[in-house]
Amino acid sequence: QSALTQPRSVSGSPGQSVTISCTGTSSDVGGYNYVSWYQQHPGKAPKLMIYDVSKRPSGVPDRFSGSKSGNTASLTISGLQAEDEADYYCCSYAGSYTQVFGGGTKLTVL
Amino acid sequence: QVQLQESGPGLVKPSETLSLTCTVSGGSISSYYWSWIRQPPGKGLEWIGYIYYSGSTNYNPSLKSRVTISVDTSKNQFSLKLSSVTAADTAVYYCARYSNYDILTGYYTRFFDYWGQGTLVTVSS
Repeated sequence: QSALTQPRSVSGSPGQSVTISCTGTSSDVGGYNYVSWYQQHPGKAPKLMIYDVSKRPSGVPDRFSGSKSGNTASLTISGLQAEDEADYYCCSYAGSYTQVFGGGTKLTVL
Repeated sequence: QVQLQESGPGLVKPSETLSLTCTVSGGSISSYYWSWIRQPPGKGLEWIGYIYYSGSTNYNPSLKSRVTISVDTSKNQFSLKLSSVTAADTAVYYCARYSNYDILTGYYTRFFDYWGQGTLVTVSS
């Protein structure tokens, strides 16, 4: 069970859109529609932003959206705001009642 | 609003057993899965395992030989034990609720929706 692959960092200016990728295998991301995304500010606990690939929990702005193609899932943040600067982690069900996280991506709002 | 709070020693000696407890408030521990996740300093998240309120468990294969997760429904708590620890086990340990069934839609799902604040455990002599 290897960690999902995410870019170490991405950046964008306020108002722009950024996309964070999350690449796995057919045994995790590609095999199930159970990808979730978490936002983590420094020193804080992760916060659920997207679940089941593209669903948003109540209270999460619709600027956050998720998608999947094959073994790669993506989180897109549109209309970037300063408060979006954080670390983002993807997570996928990996079969046999196990979960696997990505290595995390640091989003910088320029 | 469901709240989770981790508790336990912040310092553990190498080769000893790390023990943490998560107390759930604002809701019952029944009918859900409960998980432990850790994050070494400056690194990413790692799923450790989870337990159903009935006691059935599933663990990360890479940690399975050293991990035990248990539940005490009478206290609305669940616990983590990690044996034979080394410096590599130094991390912030989070407890979280794991949802695998959406009551509203009737569909299966998989995500961590409520998290504790995390507790730093350092392994050092």
